[in-house]
This record gives sequence, structure tokens and C-alpha cells, in this order.
Amino acid sequence: QVQLVQSGGEVKRPGASVKVSCKASGYTFTSHGISWVRQAPGQGPELMGWISTFNDYTNYAQKFQGRLTLTTNTSTNTVYMELRSLRSDDTAVYYCARDTDGRNPWGQGTLVTVSS
Amino acid sequence: DVVMTQSPLSLPVTLGQPASISCRSSQSLVYSDGNTYLNWFHQRPGQSPRRLIYKVSNRDSGVPDRFSGSGSGTDFTLKISRVEAEDVGVYYCLQATHWPPSFGGGTKVEI
Repeated sequence: QVQLVQSGGEVKRPGASVKVSCKASGYTFTSHGISWVRQAPGQGPELMGWISTFNDYTNYAQKFQGRLTLTTNTSTNTVYMELRSLRSDDTAVYYCARDTDGRNPWGQGTLVTVSS
Repeated sequence: DVVMTQSPLSLPVTLGQPASISCRSSQSLVYSDGNTYLNWFHQRPGQSPRRLIYKVSNRDSGVPDRFSGSGSGTDFTLKISRVEAEDVGVYYCLQATHWPPSFGGGTKVEI
């Protein structure tokens, strides 16, 4: 069955970077791009960006331009999300999901806590 | 960016009774291919969102038929014909027509 398995939670200092992984299985990796969505405590989800697993084309929400980098490793069917210059308001659960329409299933989520 | 506005913010429901959630977009969600990319999600506390409905009215695999979606253009509705206990949680709409895709603020359904 289709699965997206994310790396574990992280605690970071303000100004640091975080890199979260999303390992896909159960389908042809290059047939679906991967979106990253974050959800701050008590807030609604927010899409950050999307990467094509076919040709590595990326599209980022303007809010994250310059701080966000999405990459893929087709040999391990894994997508990575790196967010730099972390601030306290980046504290959130980060999810990966296939395509941009949120098709099921999503990754289990990775809590990133930014605190001094 | 397209702004998605949901109402109500909170929806007290009675088991066995119907429930309805509204979602409005700041611009038309009809894409150039003729499709309307408006989806609905359900999220329980501590869980990932689960998509229920895609392209306005299509139920995802395994979604009970008590859930239905309707609407067009900028106005959309999710209906639950008879609420069950497992339906509690927060419901979100998502537009995927325009970049970046954007979610509504959520509607909390509670018994």
C-alpha cells in the first residue's frame, strides 16, 4: 500500500536549519510530485512548496522563497525539505503529501520546534 | 493568493442529524481544463489530514456515502447526511486550482 514515512521530530535554535525527509513506497515514485504542508499549533494547514519527482522541478510559495529547498533522491524514493533561518513561528508539524491536491495518504507529520 | 473562507468556525452537531459546512473562494476555482479543484479534508487531533472529497463532489476511496460535496465557481458545501461519533474533528477545504494551493481556516465539528 502507499506509504509516506517521515523522519522524526526536531528541536532547533532560532537561526538554524532543519532538514526533514519523506520516504515513499507502494507506488511508482516518479509518477507523483510531493508537496510539503505545515500546520502551526491550533492553525490550519499551509502549503509550502512542491517538487516534481520526475524532473526535480520545484515551485515554492512566495512566503518561503529563499528559505526553503526541496530535493529528491530517486535511488531511495525520498524527498527532503530544508528550511533555513528558523524563527519561533516556524514551530509546526510538517507533512508531506503526494501532488498538490492532498491525495491520501499523507506522511505522519514531523514536529519541528524552534526555541532558544 | 486565493483566500478560502469557511463557515461556521464551530459546528455543534447531534448524532444522526445532518450537518453542512460552507467554503467560499476569493476567485473562481474553475481551471483552464474545465475542472474545479476544490477538495475537502477531515483531521482528528494528533492525526494527519485525510482527504474526503476531490474535485468538488468525488468521494475518495473508503469515504462513507453520508459525505457529499457540491458547489461551483466560488461557493462550495460539504454535507454529512447523518453525523456519526467518528465524524468529530476539524474539516478543511483546499483549492488546488491556483498556485499556491490554499486551505480554509477550518470548521470544528463537535457533538
